[in-house]
Amino acid sequence: EAQVTQNPRYLITVTGKKLTVTCSQNMNHEYMSWYRQDPGLGLRQIYYSMNVEVTDKGDVPEGYKVSRKEKRNFPLILESPSPNQTSLYFCASSFSRGYSNQPQHFGDGTRLSIL
Amino acid sequence: QKEVEQNSGPLSVPEGAIASLNCTYSDRGSQSFFWYRQYSGKSPELIMFIYSNGDKEDGRFTAQLNKASQYVSLLIRDSQPSDSATYLCAVNRGAQKLVFGQGTRLTINP
Repeated sequence: EAQVTQNPRYLITVTGKKLTVTCSQNMNHEYMSWYRQDPGLGLRQIYYSMNVEVTDKGDVPEGYKVSRKEKRNFPLILESPSPNQTSLYFCASSFSRGYSNQPQHFGDGTRLSIL
Repeated sequence: QKEVEQNSGPLSVPEGAIASLNCTYSDRGSQSFFWYRQYSGKSPELIMFIYSNGDKEDGRFTAQLNKASQYVSLLIRDSQPSDSATYLCAVNRGAQKLVFGQGTRLTINP
């Protein structure tokens, strides 16, 4: 089954404790992206990756890091989480063909609470 | 002006009627337009995508794009209670950046 898998689904942690949210896709997609979703602000892009070892900032990258060492995986790292990073996070992936974006497939989401 | 604007709703439509959801965007260079459906607490699910001016139909759903007016819409015919959800409009900004509107909450009343 084609899917984007995020882990964990839920996490409650404390300020300053480094955490990683994993994302893996089995569709051989070149493009992967992280979003956060907050009430009243909608979905906002954090980072994206066009392919292995190619990453770039989205609209709200502060406080986050990513890496793309393998095509299927795109982990999101919060080195020193703060309460304003409490949010619902989604990973998404798609094929990357030319200029036009391809439809993105979303993971089930990670609800993160930073106390 | 927001890059992608949607009426947040809620939009209430009787069962069996046509639901019309609208979205405007500011970047004239945008070439890819998507509609996602999101149930409460769930992830966005792709409904339609459209790249060219005009209409694109898929079952009960029709996406309409007018690049001159920077306007994209989604029509849902024969609305069902299961169509009650938030509908997100997404538009590309340059290569591979996707900008989402805040979503329109749609309620279908039996």
